[in-house]
Amino acid sequence: QKEVEQNSGPLSVPEGAIASLNCTYSDRGSQSFFWYRQYSGKSPELIMFIYSNGDKEDGRFTAQLNKASQYVSLLIRDSQPSDSATYLCAVNDGGATNKLIFGTGTLLAVQP
Amino acid sequence: DVKVTQSSRYLVKRTGEKVFLECVQDMDHENMFWYRQDPGLGLRLIYFSYDVKMKEKGDIPEGYSVSREKKERFSLILESASTNQTSMYLCASSLLPWAGPLGTDTQYFGPGTRLTVL
Repeated sequence: QKEVEQNSGPLSVPEGAIASLNCTYSDRGSQSFFWYRQYSGKSPELIMFIYSNGDKEDGRFTAQLNKASQYVSLLIRDSQPSDSATYLCAVNDGGATNKLIFGTGTLLAVQP
Repeated sequence: DVKVTQSSRYLVKRTGEKVFLECVQDMDHENMFWYRQDPGLGLRLIYFSYDVKMKEKGDIPEGYSVSREKKERFSLILESASTNQTSMYLCASSLLPWAGPLGTDTQYFGPGTRLTVL
């Protein structure tokens, strides 16, 4: 059974701090990794995707991938109360189809 | 912008009823997906379709069926609704039918349908 694991949280950070969200995955064949943000009662929206080892930056967000350790993370710099949401990590299933395997998400709470 | 719409935001049905949830995407995407989301269980794939009239079972297909008669439309059918099918149902679409050399491509989600079965 292919798995994606995240700490459910809540992860509480003060406004302006760096929030660090982590995700591990079980399938070494996985090639593409996604971070979605989901506000309470809403549907997931894509924040970033990453395919290559290393860092990928987009504004206040940085995704980090380490395939050897099967680990992907999301850093949010200068955290804002509006960043308070559940963050879902998703990993492709390594097969031919375009299926994603989702983690259960980490709840982030940014304290004003 | 990709737009994925779902027929209802909230739905209340009775046990044993046949329920139809409809999803429409306007970006000519090949792949469409149905998930359910429950607290503590995350997103679980029910069915997906990579082409018109094609369907594949996901992780939890029991009690559900799907229909894809047109490329832009993917319907989820609960043949005889039960209380354990009370959940948030999310539809998603992605452009490519098969994973490329970099793996899969992005899935875009509709707003969701919160279904309550009494």
